[in-house]
Amino acid sequence: DGGITQSPKYLFRKEGQNVTLSCEQNLNHDAMYWYRQDPGQGLRLIYYSQIVNDFQKGDIAEGYSVSREKKESFPLTVTSAQKNPTAFYLCASSMGTGTINEQFFGPGTRLTVL
Amino acid sequence: GQNIDQPTEMTATEGAIVQINCTYQTSGFNGLFWYQQHAGEAPTFLSYNVLDGLEEKGRFSSFLSRSKGYSYLLLKELQMKDSASYLCAVRDPGAGNNRKLIWGLGTSLAVNP
Repeated sequence: DGGITQSPKYLFRKEGQNVTLSCEQNLNHDAMYWYRQDPGQGLRLIYYSQIVNDFQKGDIAEGYSVSREKKESFPLTVTSAQKNPTAFYLCASSMGTGTINEQFFGPGTRLTVL
Repeated sequence: GQNIDQPTEMTATEGAIVQINCTYQTSGFNGLFWYQQHAGEAPTFLSYNVLDGLEEKGRFSSFLSRSKGYSYLLLKELQMKDSASYLCAVRDPGAGNNRKLIWGLGTSLAVNP
C-alpha cells in the first residue's frame, strides 16, 4: 500500500533537547511538506521541498531544520531554539505536477516538550 | 495580504444538510481545496474547485464563485461520523509553481443525533 508514514505517533522530550521527526512516503511524490498544528491556529507551514536536495522555508521555519537527501524521506529536526515546540506535527506530500496536485498527509506526530 | 475566513464552529442534526462557507482574499487564484480532519488525525482530501460552479462527490459537494472569492462545502444526509473539522485551503498565488497552500483555520462541525 502506498502512503506516508510518520514516527513516532507520540514523542516526549526534555526542554533544551533537539528531536528529529521522521517522514517517509512511497507514493513517488516530488514535493514534501512539514506543518505544525496548534489548537485554534490551523495548519502552519514550516518547510517544504520540491525536489531532492532542495527545500524552502515556510512561514514559521525559525527553530526548525530539514534535509531532503532522498525522494522518499523528509525528516524534521526541532531544535532547542524553537521556543514553543509542543504541537501536532504533520508531514504531507504531493505529486508536484498535474491539475489538482492535492496534498496527502501522514498520521502526524504529537510532540510534547517537558 | 492573503486571508481565508471560515466559521469556527457549526452544529447540525443527523440526516440533515449543512453548508460550510469559506471566503478568501488573495492576490490571485489558482484553485481551492476542502479537507476533512477528525480529531487527532491527519487531514484527508475531499474536493477541489478551480472553475466556477458545483462539484459533486456523493454526499459531499463543493461550490466556487471566483468573482465573489467564495466557496462552500455542502454535506447531505449527515452522519455522526461527519463530526470533524473542515479545512478550506487556497493555492498560494505567490508560489511560483502553485504547490504551497494557504489554509483557513477550519470549521468544527458537530453532528447531533
